[in-house]
Amino acid sequence: GNSVTQMEGPVTLSEEAFLTINCTYTATGYPSLFWYVQYPGEGLQLLLKATKADDKGSNKGFEATYRKETTSFHLEKGSVQVSDSAVYFCALSDGRGADGLTFGKGTHLIIQP
Amino acid sequence: NAGVMQNPRHLVRRRGQEARLRCSPMKGHSHVYWYRQLPEEGLKFMVYLQKENIIDESGMPKERFSAEFPKEGPSILRIQQVVRGDSAAYFCASSPTVQGAGETQYFGPGTRLLVL
Repeated sequence: GNSVTQMEGPVTLSEEAFLTINCTYTATGYPSLFWYVQYPGEGLQLLLKATKADDKGSNKGFEATYRKETTSFHLEKGSVQVSDSAVYFCALSDGRGADGLTFGKGTHLIIQP
Repeated sequence: NAGVMQNPRHLVRRRGQEARLRCSPMKGHSHVYWYRQLPEEGLKFMVYLQKENIIDESGMPKERFSAEFPKEGPSILRIQQVVRGDSAAYFCASSPTVQGAGETQYFGPGTRLLVL
């Protein structure tokens, strides 16, 4: 079956530090990959996505590249802000069309001023 | 364009009662998904519905849980005879009519169910 593994948190960084949150996946076929962000007490918001190998998703300074050879979709940001503090979820859909997403357990990111 | 709406936002039930969670998808979306988030866990897919049809319920517990998406009105997730282990956040998501790989799902704010 499909699965997503992401680094355990919490991850604590100082403002303006470089961020990497690792995500690897197992899937049949050609999945699409997503990063969602969840702020306290809220639902999930799509941060970025990539639908095929070597695609790079980007939004709000965050980037992730779909690496088929390493089955990875690591999230990066060059300079984090306090407002980036949230829980980040890596997810995949297995490419059969509209279907349920498979999520990782989430990584809690804490940015200190 | 209003986003995905869920109500209630918080729901408290005693063991044995019924919980009914509602989800109104974004305008123009006819695909609805329900997910459950247990404390300190990621979201787990429960069920995928289109109007009047259940497409995939592979993530639904076999007993006490049911879902519907009628022709008119919101999608409903119903939990009968709730137990403490049902306490979780339940999220609804919707996607546009047109299917395709990598379709984005848009999430509601969730309903936080607490079973006493």
